[in-house]
Amino acid sequence: DQQVKQNSPSLSVQEGRISILNCDYTNSMFDYFLWYKKYPAEGPTFLISISSIKDKNEDGRFTVFLNKSAKHLSLHIVPSQPGDSAVYFCAASGVDSGTYKYIFGTGTRLKVLA
Amino acid sequence: KAGVTQTPRYLIKTRGQQVTLSCSPISGHRSVSWYQQTPGQGLQFLFEYFSETQRNKGNFPGRFSGRQFSNSRSEMNVSTLELGDSALYLCASQNQAGYDTQYFGPGTRLTVL
Repeated sequence: DQQVKQNSPSLSVQEGRISILNCDYTNSMFDYFLWYKKYPAEGPTFLISISSIKDKNEDGRFTVFLNKSAKHLSLHIVPSQPGDSAVYFCAASGVDSGTYKYIFGTGTRLKVLA
Repeated sequence: KAGVTQTPRYLIKTRGQQVTLSCSPISGHRSVSWYQQTPGQGLQFLFEYFSETQRNKGNFPGRFSGRQFSNSRSEMNVSTLELGDSALYLCASQNQAGYDTQYFGPGTRLTVL
């Protein structure tokens, strides 16, 4: 049972345009969400996070939006640059029945075309 | 601070063999988690260790095991290797559990022939 889903395995965007990556989760106990970026032959690196008490968090070109009622978050990259081409993973964390959980989605491969 | 290191970076084994992977977390970090990454499956959680205790476990068979030492270094062992175990194995360290960012190592690429 995939509790964190990224339904788009890949996305291509023109340089300078907006990239929107989506993530859905099923368990309402998740209350902290993160995005990671992964280049080939490297481990994922942290990009941006958001707590469930907020609905938006911004860091430079990266903005994460959280819609708790829809159990949906999205990452916006504006403007997109070729160096942003990577696999993006969303992650959700929280405590479920006394056990701490930290679950990653399946990833979306972003390709920014020059 | 030095980052998370994993050894070896690449491994080739044959079916039925066993393998041990090592992970050294960032100095001061007490939590180490292990993940398996395969195409289309994302990062599948294996287990998490905190202060030498396994605190969390994913849905993997008992052939996958791990441990953590007093210096927070962790090892992961896979016995009786199967072709489907071929994957990138990543470890991640956190200062504590909870909402901390996870810091990943570069991974160990395991190929089972």
